[in-house]
Amino acid sequence: GAVVSQHPSWVICKSGTSVKIECRSLDFQATTMFWYRQFPKQSLMLMATSNEGSKATYEQGVEKDKFLINHASLTLSTLTVTSAHPEDSSFYICSARDGGRGLAEAFFGQGTRLTVV
Amino acid sequence: AQSVTQPDIHITVSEGASLELRCNYSYGATPYLFWYVQSPGQGLQLLLKYFSGDTLVQGIKGFEAEFKRSQSSFNLRKPSVHWSDAAEYFCAVGSGANNLFFGTGTRLTVIP
Repeated sequence: GAVVSQHPSWVICKSGTSVKIECRSLDFQATTMFWYRQFPKQSLMLMATSNEGSKATYEQGVEKDKFLINHASLTLSTLTVTSAHPEDSSFYICSARDGGRGLAEAFFGQGTRLTVV
Repeated sequence: AQSVTQPDIHITVSEGASLELRCNYSYGATPYLFWYVQSPGQGLQLLLKYFSGDTLVQGIKGFEAEFKRSQSSFNLRKPSVHWSDAAEYFCAVGSGANNLFFGTGTRLTVIP
């Protein structure tokens, strides 16, 4: 099956700094990638949808200036958490659709555990 | 509105016993249905999916699920649970190029 690689798998940063998380589709072209946030023992909440070459679409309540998403190529999307605060600590997961397969299946990265201290 | 309901937050079964995890959905279009499994601190692994055709789908690790349109359900089953099946299970619904809507998850505990 298709592989989505997310990096880093975990990161600890100081409050006020920025953190970049990468999501790569390794063996397919992902025209659409999704970024989710997962709080402990809860489900995945969609933060934004990114389409290659265009601006991301953010879900209601998600601050676009705080969570910067860039989808500059068909294989890479990045999420940058700017001026991170402890409440941003969470598990972030990306997923990508293989548009070439014509199916709705989404492939997920391994997730990134962000801890802001 | 789209939604997915997993009524069981936590299920405990004995190793070797059968398992059924419930999932009900509400979706405006023809749904594509998925079951994912998540181990602690890990991403999601696809167990199985339903797009069309045979309503009983087989997945990996011995799991299967049955799509029942009349009941808006897509329950996950396994005839004999193994200790390694202990994890969080998520049901999801989506279509086309849209994002997936996830249920709140069911945590499975397997006792020896």
